[in-house]
Amino acid sequence: SAVISQKPSRDICQRGTSLTIQCQVDSQVTMMFWYRQQPGQSLTLIATANQGSEATYESGFVIDKFPISRPNLTFSTLTVSNMSPEDSSIYLCSARRETQYFGPGTRLLVL
Amino acid sequence: GENVEQHPSTLSVQEGDSAVIKCTYSDSASNYFPWYKQELGKRPQLIIDIRSNVGEKKDQRIAVTLNKTAKHFSLHITETQPEDSAVYFCAASIGGNNDMRFGAGTRLTVKP
Repeated sequence: SAVISQKPSRDICQRGTSLTIQCQVDSQVTMMFWYRQQPGQSLTLIATANQGSEATYESGFVIDKFPISRPNLTFSTLTVSNMSPEDSSIYLCSARRETQYFGPGTRLLVL
Repeated sequence: GENVEQHPSTLSVQEGDSAVIKCTYSDSASNYFPWYKQELGKRPQLIIDIRSNVGEKKDQRIAVTLNKTAKHFSLHITETQPEDSAVYFCAASIGGNNDMRFGAGTRLTVKP
């Protein structure tokens, strides 16, 4: 299995500001993913983070709003930019090694 | 792209009964089908998975079946216990490094 940590675990932010979420995996993985989960909803893929190349974004998500970094095979960051209350959600980092594992999530509230 | 549908959205059973959750997928190239359990406020945890070269897999009280022709797969939980209460998500992917698509989730409640 893979051990994935995220920080912060939760945050309350003002609209118009940005928050960067960090994700650390305990061993090297090729692919990392970022998901968003609204309360009571399923997991929606935001983007796939590839080491050494640009992230691949899903329909409805753009790089200017959710820039992603993947500087090495164990680490990635997701930034939620120019936040609005609609960005309030849980953001989950995920990594695949044979199977897919999830971080504990970052609970974001935008006021 | 892949589309995964999951039913039912909620399921309530008595302790000791069986629970069945069903999913269908659209992309015939999908070959990996995991199931996740998510308790309130926690991360999704993998409970069982199946690959397209097998039709059924069991792990104690949990089993998953796959029908590739019909493009559907199911989770079976026998002898349910209150601690099985959670939201269960099915998912499908085309193996390797492709992304994974999730069903909408099933909220299972096991009544003591």
